[in-house]
Amino acid sequence: DVKVTQSSRYLVKRTGEKVFLECVQDMDHENMFWYRQDPGLGLRLIYFSYDVKMKGKGDIPEGYSVSREKKERFSLILESASTNQTSMYLCASSLRGIMNYGYTFGSGTRLTVV
Amino acid sequence: GDSVTQMEGPVTLSEEAFLTINCTYTATGYPSLFWYVQYPGEGLQLLLKATKADDKGSNKGFEATYRKETTSFHLEKGSVQVSDSAVYFCALKNFNKFYFGSGTKLNVKP
Repeated sequence: DVKVTQSSRYLVKRTGEKVFLECVQDMDHENMFWYRQDPGLGLRLIYFSYDVKMKGKGDIPEGYSVSREKKERFSLILESASTNQTSMYLCASSLRGIMNYGYTFGSGTRLTVV
Repeated sequence: GDSVTQMEGPVTLSEEAFLTINCTYTATGYPSLFWYVQYPGEGLQLLLKATKADDKGSNKGFEATYRKETTSFHLEKGSVQVSDSAVYFCALKNFNKFYFGSGTKLNVKP
């Protein structure tokens, strides 16, 4: 089974801190994604990557950046954390070019910014 | 653009009741359709999928049929259990991009 591992389940950070959320997948997937999930707003795409060193902005990229130096790892960076970034963050991966192949999600990181 | 609309929750049912969660979509071309489930405190897990019109996806007693004529992919289960309590997301995949519905919370009472 494909496994997508997010490094932390729960994280508490202070306003203004630089925060790194790590995601690693073990099945050689080309595509990786970061979403945030908030009550009443569903899943919103922050950034995606279709290849190493490639990144694309999703629907809500402001305040975030990403890094993909290796195929298996996709990091989400909060440059200066703010309280409105308190949320559940979900990483996902998938194979490229196969229409019926779904996403595999990690277990999520619940981030609280105080 | 492409989008998914699913019924708002929460949906509250008694154990062994019949479940329907409605999902409709708008898409160009020929998308694949998915249902994901999220248990409390967890990420999303793939529940079932269908890749073309009239396909039926099924898993764990849940099923959904890809209806192109009504652009729908409703989730059904004949007899729900307390352990089915979760949030259910309908999604479509088109041209390598996913679109998710807003999720429907299901509460099943014993």
